[in-house]
Amino acid sequence: EAGVAQSPRYKIIEKRQSVAFWCNPISGHATLYWYQQILGQGPKLLIQFQNNGVVDDSQLPKDRFSAERLKGVDSTLKIQPAKLEDSAVYLCASSLEMGFQETQYFGPGTRLLVL
Amino acid sequence: AQSVTQLDSQVPVFEEAPVELRCNYSSSVSVYLFWYVQYPNQGLQLLLKYLSGSTLVKGINGFEAEFNKSQTSFHLRKPSVHISDTAEYFCAVSAPYGGSQGNLIFGKGTKLSVKP
Repeated sequence: EAGVAQSPRYKIIEKRQSVAFWCNPISGHATLYWYQQILGQGPKLLIQFQNNGVVDDSQLPKDRFSAERLKGVDSTLKIQPAKLEDSAVYLCASSLEMGFQETQYFGPGTRLLVL
Repeated sequence: AQSVTQLDSQVPVFEEAPVELRCNYSSSVSVYLFWYVQYPNQGLQLLLKYLSGSTLVKGINGFEAEFNKSQTSFHLRKPSVHISDTAEYFCAVSAPYGGSQGNLIFGKGTKLSVKP
C-alpha cells in the first residue's frame, strides 16, 4: 500500500513570495490533515478535511494560508505572502475516517525555508 | 484544553541499555494517547496507541508504554535499545473537546541518541 505522498520535499523562497505544497493521501482515506512543525517543536494542526469539506481550520492563519481538497483526494496548501516565521516542515497526514481513535499516517513532509 | 509535556528533550543511552521516555498530559476529559517516531528526514510513524482496556500497550520494534491515569502519564519504554532506534519520539493526545474532530496535540519531542 502506497503511503502519503508530498511534494516538493524542500523549498527555499524569499519573504513575501508565495509557495504551494501538494499532498496525495493513502487511497480511500477520507480524512486529511496539514500540520506545521517548527524546529524544536511538535507538529501543530493547521487544517483538517473530511472528504472535500473543512472540519477544523481554527489554527490556520487565514490572512496568508489557504488550503483546498478538491474532489476529496489530493490537497494543496498555499502560503501567500510568506514570512520568515513560516520556515518549518509541513506535514500531511491522512486517516481512514475522522475520529479520536483513528491512526494518522504521515507523509515525509516539505521543508520550507523563508529567507 | 489538552496539553502534552515530554520531560526530556534529549536522552542519550548506550546500545543494549534500557530506556524510558517520559510523557505527561493534561486533560479534563478522557483521552486517547499515542507515541510516534520520526527518523531523520522522514514523516512520523505510529509506534503504539492507548484507546482503552489494558494499561500496558505493546507496539512495534519492541517498544511498550504504560498508561497511568492517576499520574496522567504515558511513558514509553524499551528493555534493550539498538543503534537503529536513534530518532525523535513524540507523545500525542487526542480528545473530544471544544469541537475537536480527532486532531492530535503533540509534545515537543524527545531525541533518543543510541551510542555504540
